[in-house]
Amino acid sequence: EAQVTQNPRYLITVTGKKLTVTCSQNMNHEYMSWYRQDPGLGLRQIYYSMNVEVTDKGDVPEGYKVSRKEKRNFPLILESPSPNQTSLYFCASTRTGETEAFFGQGTRLTVV
Amino acid sequence: GENVEQHPSTLSVQEGDSAVIKCTYSDSASNYFPWYKQELGKRPQLIIDIRSNVGEKKDQRIAVTLNKTAKHFSLHITETQPEDSAVYFCAASRFSGSARQLTFGSGTQLTVLP
Repeated sequence: EAQVTQNPRYLITVTGKKLTVTCSQNMNHEYMSWYRQDPGLGLRQIYYSMNVEVTDKGDVPEGYKVSRKEKRNFPLILESPSPNQTSLYFCASTRTGETEAFFGQGTRLTVV
Repeated sequence: GENVEQHPSTLSVQEGDSAVIKCTYSDSASNYFPWYKQELGKRPQLIIDIRSNVGEKKDQRIAVTLNKTAKHFSLHITETQPEDSAVYFCAASRFSGSARQLTFGSGTQLTVLP
């Protein structure tokens, strides 16, 4: 089954404790991105990657890092999480030249 | 960069009535406009889209219209049903290099009352 898989689905952590949210897709898509969803703000792009070893900042990159060492994986790294990064996070992938973005199931992160 | 505004933020309709959600965009380079539906606790999923060379597109009970001159597009749902209750996001998309960049609106919570 074609899918985008995120882990974990839920995470509660403390301020300053590094964490990684994983994202993996099995559709051989070149383009992957991370979004955060906050009430009243919609989905805002954090980082995106057009292919292996190619990443770039989205609209709200501060406090986040990403890497793209393999085509299928695109982890989101919070080196020192803060409470304002409490949010619902979605990973998405798209085949280059096509239009539909396929989303993962989401990760609800709470930073206390 | 692109800016997408979406209205209303919440919308309640009686079952069987129509619902309309409106979006405006700022970047004239945007040429693809998808709509995503997000049910409670689920991921956003594409329900319909329209390209800039088309003014209207319909798929059963849902339709999208696009006015390129005014830079606005709308989602129309007719004969609403309880299962239409969800958050709807519009988006505007343009190519950045070889990939499409999506900018989303802030979402509309649609509630269909039985």
